[in-house]
Amino acid sequence: DAGVIQSPRHEVTEMGQEVTLRCKPISGHNSLFWYRQTMMRGLELLIYFNNNVPIDDSGMPEDRFSAKMPNASFSTLKIQPSEPRDSAVYFCASSHRRINTEAFFGQGTRLTVV
Amino acid sequence: AQTVTQSQPEMSVQEAETVTLSCTYDTSESNYYLFWYKQPPSRQMILVIRQEAYKQQNATENRFSVNFQKAAKSFSLKISDSQLGDTAMYFCAFRITTSGSRLTFGEGTQLTVNP
Repeated sequence: DAGVIQSPRHEVTEMGQEVTLRCKPISGHNSLFWYRQTMMRGLELLIYFNNNVPIDDSGMPEDRFSAKMPNASFSTLKIQPSEPRDSAVYFCASSHRRINTEAFFGQGTRLTVV
Repeated sequence: AQTVTQSQPEMSVQEAETVTLSCTYDTSESNYYLFWYKQPPSRQMILVIRQEAYKQQNATENRFSVNFQKAAKSFSLKISDSQLGDTAMYFCAFRITTSGSRLTFGEGTQLTVNP
């Protein structure tokens, strides 16, 4: 298996623009997590899905952030409009719900908003 | 709600020596998993070791072992014979065994192995 695949690896955008981050979980995994990592706040859980359904989005910072999981093999995290304080590394992770042990992480997307 | 605390923001160790990273957690649950993840400069998150709370025996993976004290809610990571490649940020993480639960991380400890 190729592991969790995120795209793009790096994104530089101007303030006010829409940004879409993409994630393909490991085949057969049905829990998917979006995390944000910054120096100041560490690893924050933004939202997670079970069987494509959002379970807990309490970590989503504000209405500018939205996440979808239209099917078991794809998820997006969208920021509209983006702001400089959104600059961070965004990680997607997946795990097998039944086995329910560790999560496997993608390589992250480094987002820079200028 | 579960919380995970790593009280050591930074640590350093000489190559070939042993170092212990601390982690405490707070939960009212009795069944859960604990993990240590490693994040090297490449930023890839890599699972180092896993401990099931119902197991009394401490998990080991080669040079990595844990000291799991359930009553004290403590979960420390010991790295023996430290190598330069162990330089990384280390995160402690917690997850209850309820199917599809969240995975909560501590703040991380930056470990530097010096030659």
